[in-house]
Amino acid sequence: QQQVKQSPQSLIVQKGGISIINCAYENTAFDYFPWYQQFPGKGPALLIAIRPDVSEKKEGRFTISFNKSAKQFSLHIMDSQPGDSATYFCAASIKNRDDKIIFGKGTRLHILP
Amino acid sequence: KAGVTQTPRYLIKTRGQQVTLSCSPISGHRSVSWYQQTPGQGLQFLFEYFSETQRNKGNFPGRFSGRQFSNSRSEMNVSTLELGDSALYLCASSLSGRRDSPLHFGNGTRLTVT
Repeated sequence: QQQVKQSPQSLIVQKGGISIINCAYENTAFDYFPWYQQFPGKGPALLIAIRPDVSEKKEGRFTISFNKSAKQFSLHIMDSQPGDSATYFCAASIKNRDDKIIFGKGTRLHILP
Repeated sequence: KAGVTQTPRYLIKTRGQQVTLSCSPISGHRSVSWYQQTPGQGLQFLFEYFSETQRNKGNFPGRFSGRQFSNSRSEMNVSTLELGDSALYLCASSLSGRRDSPLHFGNGTRLTVT
């Protein structure tokens, strides 16, 4: 119930292509969904976040699509660049006494030059 | 503004020993949380401190403990180290500790247990 399932585990995309990372959850009480990006040797950093009252949020080449009925959300990276090569984590949190953020297991993305 | 600082960057310890990791949050941030990162399990929540009080705790054994000082700096301690404790330990601070307050991560401490 408190899990966030992320796929794929790793992804290779050609430069200029679209990278798509998917996440699914079971607990309908989750109501905040951030994505974090982690470069080698660095800690993760917040990339973009969405709430379930919107179906899509775009920031530059990064777009989160949210499907509330399917309990799925995904990250799309348009015109993928070698500099986007990193590990991406989706996450979810629920408004309760704990206020914890639950992370997916991560997707290692490699963009071929 | 300085980011989150974690020390040391690397540690090598022997099974059975104990270790203390340190985290200095961004100035003004009152919430500090700790995560264990391993290749197979991703980011797993250890605990969170807010204003010197442990507010949340993950599903880790009691060998993992932490504390926060009045200046918001935090330490994490692992006693009786096991081989499976080898991981990257990340500290994150946030301004308010609210779940929609962005987490600012340090670059981690890489712990190797031999």
